[in-house]
Amino acid sequence: DIQMTQSPSTLSASVGDRVTITCRASQSISSWLAWYQQKPGKAPKLLIYKASSLESGVPSRFSGSGSGTEFTLTISSLQPDDFATYYCQQYNSYSQFTFGPGTKVDIK
Amino acid sequence: EVQLVQSGAEVKKPGESLKISCKGSGYSFTSYWIGWVRQMPGKGLEWMGIIYPGDSDTRYSPSFQGQVTISADKSISTAYLQWSSLKASDTAMYYCARLTGHGFDPWGQGTLVTVSS
Repeated sequence: DIQMTQSPSTLSASVGDRVTITCRASQSISSWLAWYQQKPGKAPKLLIYKASSLESGVPSRFSGSGSGTEFTLTISSLQPDDFATYYCQQYNSYSQFTFGPGTKVDIK
Repeated sequence: EVQLVQSGAEVKKPGESLKISCKGSGYSFTSYWIGWVRQMPGKGLEWMGIIYPGDSDTRYSPSFQGQVTISADKSISTAYLQWSSLKASDTAMYYCARLTGHGFDPWGQGTLVTVSS
């Protein structure tokens, strides 16, 4: 099974900060990685797909990069609406769709 | 608009059975896989399994194989997640989501299942 890890688990930041979250896969997943944002009491929302493609309607301050086993999600200038928990997910095969444990971005 | 609408919250006792639903609209329901995701209170997302409503091909996460059953009725564009005997540890929010080449999108609003004696 492919395992996903994320770091950090919690990140305290201020509005306007540049924020970077790292996701690692236990084996190569090419670019089959998605990033989701989840706010309390809400369903997750897709932000980034295929590691670096921005989902329609998602602000351009969000970007993704990486391939193989190491990936990053960057928020170029953190906005008040961005305080949430972020999850990576691999979708390398139709037999497993493992999520990372999540990174909570809260207010410094 | 592509939409997934899930059934309402449930409160059950240990040992009872349950079937929750996820109705798709705004797209060809038989052409996309539907996934189910568990989120236990205060915890992260766990993929449970997926089903292709077109032919009912179903894949389960090893962690959930044998614990739940995923099914679909394409005639009413609805996917299901069911338990034959609930445990307290099944208490969680359950989400359905459509699988595309981009990942899971959109997601249903979630169904809260509470299992308590």
